[in-house]
Amino acid sequence: NAGVTQTPKFQVLKTGQSMTLQCAQDMNHEYMSWYRQDPGMGLRLIHYSVGAGITDQGEVPNGYNVSRSTTEDFPLRLLSAAPSQTSVYFCASSHTRETEAFFGQGTRLTVV
Amino acid sequence: AQKVTQAQTEISVVEKEDVTLDCVYETRDTTYYLFWYKQPPSGELVFLIRRNSFDEQNEISGRYSWNFQKSTSSFNFTITASQVVDSAVYFCALSGHQGGSEKLVFGKGTKLTVNP
Repeated sequence: NAGVTQTPKFQVLKTGQSMTLQCAQDMNHEYMSWYRQDPGMGLRLIHYSVGAGITDQGEVPNGYNVSRSTTEDFPLRLLSAAPSQTSVYFCASSHTRETEAFFGQGTRLTVV
Repeated sequence: AQKVTQAQTEISVVEKEDVTLDCVYETRDTTYYLFWYKQPPSGELVFLIRRNSFDEQNEISGRYSWNFQKSTSSFNFTITASQVVDSAVYFCALSGHQGGSEKLVFGKGTKLTVNP
């Protein structure tokens, strides 16, 4: 069992570039989510999904897109990177919103 | 709206002291779930406890204990006889269901430093 796998672990982007952060889980969890962590701001929810084909916005969705074509994968797309998107990104999964969430190791993204 | 407030940004204690981390939440749900997670300096997020809104029993796990009080919308976390290894950022989280959305939201975290 790999749990929740996030790639890459580190990334530097130039302003305006696009990229996809990958997240995969092998626990057959229905609920998946993306958070960003900034100093003093805690973990803020970007987007989440309650199952394949269903996604919804969190607290800070602007500038990010997601899709959930399979149960296992929940990629996060930055359409046009901005310095304000410099952050540590965490993907999480759980059976439902009611159960323990498992987190990936995080992606440290710097936009210059 | 759902909201979690951790008013203590940083706490510093000396080893063997007891320390309580506060968590106050807001929700209109009658059924909701509360969590605590630990983020040690290495950066990963580790689950500590889950509590549903119908279970107000306090829980103890070793040196850790949790006090859930619906009357004050609080879910506080106490570490007894703290150790240096307890140094971490601790997050309280709330999962509820409102208006068709199911969100797990976190507080801003409390950074605990335990000094030898």
